[in-house]
Parts: sequence; C-alpha cells; structure tokens
Amino acid sequence: AIQLTQSPSSLSASIGDRVNITCRASQDIRTDLAWFHQKAGMAPKLLISDASTLQSGVPSRFTGSGSGTDFTLTISSLQPEDFATYYCQQFDNFPLTFGAGTKVEIK
Amino acid sequence: QVQLVESGGGVVQPGGSLRLSCAASGFAFGYYAMHWVRQPPGKGLEWVAFMRFDGSEKFYADSVKGRFTISRDNSKNTLYLQMNSLKTEDTAVYYCAKDHHWYFDLWGRGTLVTVSS
Repeated sequence: AIQLTQSPSSLSASIGDRVNITCRASQDIRTDLAWFHQKAGMAPKLLISDASTLQSGVPSRFTGSGSGTDFTLTISSLQPEDFATYYCQQFDNFPLTFGAGTKVEIK
Repeated sequence: QVQLVESGGGVVQPGGSLRLSCAASGFAFGYYAMHWVRQPPGKGLEWVAFMRFDGSEKFYADSVKGRFTISRDNSKNTLYLQMNSLKTEDTAVYYCAKDHHWYFDLWGRGTLVTVSS
C-alpha cells in the first residue's frame, strides 16, 4: 500500500499567517492526490483534487501543488474558519490511503 | 438537497454483526461508485470499501477483507455495509462517501460503531 507522510502533525498559527502542509508519498502517484479538511465533530470536506484543482466554492486562499511524491497545501492567509485538521489522500491505486493529518490550531 | 445519511450504528459485542445503511438523495445515485471510510475516535481516516455503480467491482481494505461486505440497492438509492466478526479495533465513526475518480466528493455525517464487551 502507498504510504502518505504528512508534516507537520500539528502547527499553531495566527490569523493572516501563511501556512504550508506537506504530504510525501512512498511512490510516484503522479497528481492523484486530494486534500480535505475536517472540523471537530464534522465530516471531512474536499478542498482540492488532482493535486491542484480547487473545488467549487472553496476559497482561493487554498492552493495545492506538487506531483510525483511531493505535494504541498498552502493557505495564503489563515482565516478563523480554517482551524481544522487537514488530510491528504492518494487515489493512484487501491487500497486508497490517507495521511495521518495535520492539526492547525490558533496561536 | 444533495446528501448522504448513514444509519445503523450502535454498540455491539466482539464477534457480533452490524449492518450500516447510507441513504442518498439529490443526485443520480445509480450512476456513481461509492465508498465507506471510517475514523476511530480521536484518530485519522481509513478507507474501508469501494463499490462500482453497477456492483461489478468491489475492493476492501486488508483490515476488513473477509469480514465486511459492501452492497447497494440502486432502486432504493441506498448503500450498505455488512460487518461480521467485529473486533474492538473496528470501533469508529463510519462515513459513506460518493466517488469521483477514486476520491471522495461528498460525505455523510457518519454513524458511530462501538465494539465493546
């Protein structure tokens, strides 16, 4: 199974900060990567597919980049509603796998 | 309204069985593949099972293979997960999710399964 290593596992940031979350795959997955965020007690929500395609309705402060084994989710200016846990997921092949998550907390 | 609503969770003893349902509405359920994804309390997400729109193909995580069965009734817009030989490590919130080329573009709110004696 393809392993996804997310870093950091948690971070503290202030409103307006630029935040980067990385996801490294154990093998080449082209651009078959999605990003989700999950607020406490709620279901995950899709933010980005195909490594860099922003989903409809998702604010443009979210950007995805990368291909192959190294990927990054960037939040250009952190907003109060962005405090959540972020997960990457590979869909290159089965079994589908997720990163362990990055918890973004308020500094 | 486009939504998925899971039901059927509860408390069950180790070795027991449970059947989860996921009712879909607001989209053409019969045209989409579907998944089950779970999340143990306080932990990350784990993909569990996949089924093509017509049931012709199914995949399972190794952790549930041989114990869980995914199925669907397109006439009822409903997805199922039959869980047998349950273990304490199966305790989790179970989400159904709509497929979009093997990632998940719509999630339900989840149903909690607790396996405990």
